[in-house]
Amino acid sequence: DVKVTQSSRYLVKRTGEKVFLECVQDMDHENMFWYRQDPGLGLRLIYFSYDVKMKEKGDIPEGYSVSREKKERFSLILESASTNQTSMYLCASSLTPGGETQYFGPGTRLLVL
Amino acid sequence: AQSVSQHNHHVILSEAASLELGCNYSYGGTVNLFWYVQYPGQHLQLLLKYFSGDPLVKGIKGFEAEFIKSKFSFNLRKPSVQWSDTAEYFCAVNNNAGNMLTFGGGTRLMVKP
Repeated sequence: DVKVTQSSRYLVKRTGEKVFLECVQDMDHENMFWYRQDPGLGLRLIYFSYDVKMKEKGDIPEGYSVSREKKERFSLILESASTNQTSMYLCASSLTPGGETQYFGPGTRLLVL
Repeated sequence: AQSVSQHNHHVILSEAASLELGCNYSYGGTVNLFWYVQYPGQHLQLLLKYFSGDPLVKGIKGFEAEFIKSKFSFNLRKPSVQWSDTAEYFCAVNNNAGNMLTFGGGTRLMVKP
């Protein structure tokens, strides 16, 4: 079974803090993705990575950065958290970029006060 | 940019009722189509997918979806829902040559026992 894990299920941070969300997959997948999930908006892609040290912007990259130093790990960074970044963050991985099944982690619910 | 519309945001059905959830997308070229489901407290997971061939696709748990190219639609159906089908359902589209999935806004289904 593919397993995608995320470092935290719930996080509470203050405005202006630097926030790190970690994601690890155990299936040797090339591709990893970060989404945010908001009611009525579905999932929106923040960034994805198709190889170590490679990244591409998604639909809503502003205010976020990512890091992929190892194949199995993909980090999402909020350089200076703001209240409008309060959301559910989902990590996913897949064998190929867009045409194959994506496997999702349990999500991190982030509250920025 | 491609977009995906799910017109029903909330659906409430009684057990044994038939289900049809609408999904329309905007991209005019070759597409890959997906339905994902998120049961309460669980990870987002793949329900079914269409790449090519028979436009009627069967997925897990008795779900099926029909790709109608002329209508840019990929509606999800189930003849008789169960209480355990209570979940949020997401339609997603990839434009075959692209790296990213575009998700619809989601439909929350509640099945009353």
